[in-house]
Amino acid sequence: KAGVTQTPRYLIKTRGQQVTLSCSPISGHRSVSWYQQTPGQGLQFLFEYFSETQRNKGNFPGRFSGRQFSNSRSEMNVSTLELGDSALYLCASSLAGDRAFFGQGTRLTVV
Amino acid sequence: DAKTTQPPSMDCAEGRAANLPCNHSTISGNEYVYWYRQIHSQGPQYIIHGLKNNETNEMASLIITEDRKSSTLILPHATLRDTAVYYCIALDRGSTLGRLYFGRGTQLTVWP
Repeated sequence: KAGVTQTPRYLIKTRGQQVTLSCSPISGHRSVSWYQQTPGQGLQFLFEYFSETQRNKGNFPGRFSGRQFSNSRSEMNVSTLELGDSALYLCASSLAGDRAFFGQGTRLTVV
Repeated sequence: DAKTTQPPSMDCAEGRAANLPCNHSTISGNEYVYWYRQIHSQGPQYIIHGLKNNETNEMASLIITEDRKSSTLILPHATLRDTAVYYCIALDRGSTLGRLYFGRGTQLTVWP
């Protein structure tokens, strides 16, 4: 069974630009969650999608958004990038939101 | 979800058992104890979970005290590849809605 796949693995963007990250969950998993990990703040929850609906949202500004498609694949978008958005972005999939399987992450660097 | 408390770091000799404690004194009856670990720069990996009975799988054992206020993750024969940050999470599966609260965890270092 294939694991959670995140693309791209690495990304360098300039301040003010926008970025879209992609996550393909494990087949059959309908819940996809996104996390941001930085050395200072640790792992922080961004949002969760289940069957194309956002069920839960963390405390992040509106520049962070996401969506889920009918095949459960998910994307997250960050607009007007700031230097502080540099982080490892992790996607996790699960059947119902508890036992989560994480991808390898996308390392975003904003310069 | 209940807050958990873990020591920031521990070390263990290769081949010995690693016992990682977690305090969750405010855990409610509906909350399970989950353990994840994160090897440097990789995504967290699920290890084990339990409600009140002790659990064992191919990776580890989970011992939960009778009052459920604390638990211990046991890696019976630690290897160098077990060096990672270990997270203890208490969550209500019915209301988690995909959100896992990761604290700072315990950095376990296994030395040769």
